[in-house]
Amino acid sequence: EAGVVQSPRYKIIEKKQPVAFWCNPISGHNTLYWYLQNLGQGPELLIRYENEEAVDDSQLPKDRFSAERLKGVDSTLKIQPAELGDSAVYLCASSPSFGGRDEQFFGPGTRLTVL
Amino acid sequence: SQQGEEDPQALSIQEGENATMNCSYKTSINNLQWYRQNSGRGLVHLILIRSNEREKHSGRLRVTLDTSKKSSSLLITASRAADTASYFCATDEGYSGGGADGLTFGKGTHLIIQP
Repeated sequence: EAGVVQSPRYKIIEKKQPVAFWCNPISGHNTLYWYLQNLGQGPELLIRYENEEAVDDSQLPKDRFSAERLKGVDSTLKIQPAELGDSAVYLCASSPSFGGRDEQFFGPGTRLTVL
Repeated sequence: SQQGEEDPQALSIQEGENATMNCSYKTSINNLQWYRQNSGRGLVHLILIRSNEREKHSGRLRVTLDTSKKSSSLLITASRAADTASYFCATDEGYSGGGADGLTFGKGTHLIIQP
C-alpha cells in the first residue's frame, strides 16, 4: 500500500514569494491533516479536512495561508507571501477515521527554507 | 500550542538497556498516541491507548496511561541502535478538550542508543 505522498521534498524561496505544497493521502482515507513542524518541536495542526470540507482551520494563519482539497482526495497548501518565520517542515497526514480517533499516517514532509 | 510535555527532553542509554519516557498533558482526552520520528522514515505511529485503558503492549513497547494524573509513559525494552529517534506523545482531545480537533503533540524526547 502506498503511503502519504508529498511534494516537493525541499523548497528554497526568497521572502515575499509564493509557495505551494501538494499532498496525496492514502487511498480511501477520508481525513487529511496539514501540520507545521519547527526545528526541535512537535508538529502543530494547521488544518483538518473531512473529505473536501475544512472542519478545523482555527490554527491556519489566514492572512497568508490557504488550503484546498477540491475533490476530497489530494490537497494543496499555499503560502503567499512567504515570510522568514515560515521556514519549517510542512507535514501532511491522513486517517481513515474522523477527528483523530485512530492513528494518523504521515508523509515525509516538505522542508521549506525562506531566505 | 502544544499540550503534551515529554520528559526527559533527551536520553542517552547503552544498547540493550530499557528506555522510559514520560508525557504529561493538561486537558481531558479521548486517546493518547506515541509516535517516533527519525530522518529516514518521518513520523511513524507506534501505539494508541484509549482513555479507558491503563496499559498496552506492542512488541518491545509498553505504554501506561494515568488519566487522574494526566500522564503517560512509554517503555522500550532491550533497546537497539535502530531505536535512536525522537519520540512524541500526541493527545486527541476531541470535542470536549477545547483544542484543535486533531492531534496535539508534545515537544518530544530525543533518544540516543549507544552501541
